[in-house]
Amino acid sequence: AQSVTQLDSQVPVFEEAPVELRCNYSSSVSVYLFWYVQYPNQGLQLLLKYLSGSTLVESINGFEAEFNKSQTSFHLRKPSVHISDTAEYFCAVSSANTNAGKSTFGDGTTLTVKP
Amino acid sequence: ETGVTQSPTHLIKTRGQQVTLRCSSQSGHNTVSWYQQALGQGPQFIFQYYREEENGRGNFPPRFSGLQFPNYSSELNVNALELDDSALYLCASSLDQYSPGAFFGQGTRLTVV
Repeated sequence: AQSVTQLDSQVPVFEEAPVELRCNYSSSVSVYLFWYVQYPNQGLQLLLKYLSGSTLVESINGFEAEFNKSQTSFHLRKPSVHISDTAEYFCAVSSANTNAGKSTFGDGTTLTVKP
Repeated sequence: ETGVTQSPTHLIKTRGQQVTLRCSSQSGHNTVSWYQQALGQGPQFIFQYYREEENGRGNFPPRFSGLQFPNYSSELNVNALELDDSALYLCASSLDQYSPGAFFGQGTRLTVV
């Protein structure tokens, strides 16, 4: 069985400040890790993913996440946020061995960027 | 390429009724997964279909059932609706059952009254 814990349900931050959204996972097998973003009344968009190789992965809009196997974490970071980054962020895990399409999600972190 | 589309976008049903939600997969994708997202929570995996066969199921009762068609579009059927079934239902398609990550549709907001 797998589980995901997003440690902060809400993160308020001022524009241009750095932000970190924390995610810990639990799994007995090798995993793939994902961050998704959800804007109000919309579906989920894949932000970035870790499959293998370099433990630091980046998205096209400035977010990055680092896979830490020893701490079973996959925290999401951005050095300088914009108002448009305000959204719900979900961390997810799937098995790297079988049925990689089935993902277990955390309960989400609401990022609110204030002017 | 086309994205994942779901219909309808919103739906109101009465307790005890049945509902069918529809999903068109992204072009070239043969695997579709359905998720239930209750208010304030993350998506919960309902089941996955790969080439018209159910390929994994989450902790949902049998009154949640699905179909995948030869063109890889999909339906989610829920019988005997309960108030707790009110949620956003998300369809996600992926290249195949081994492909990590998925493309999500906009969701269907189901309200049971």
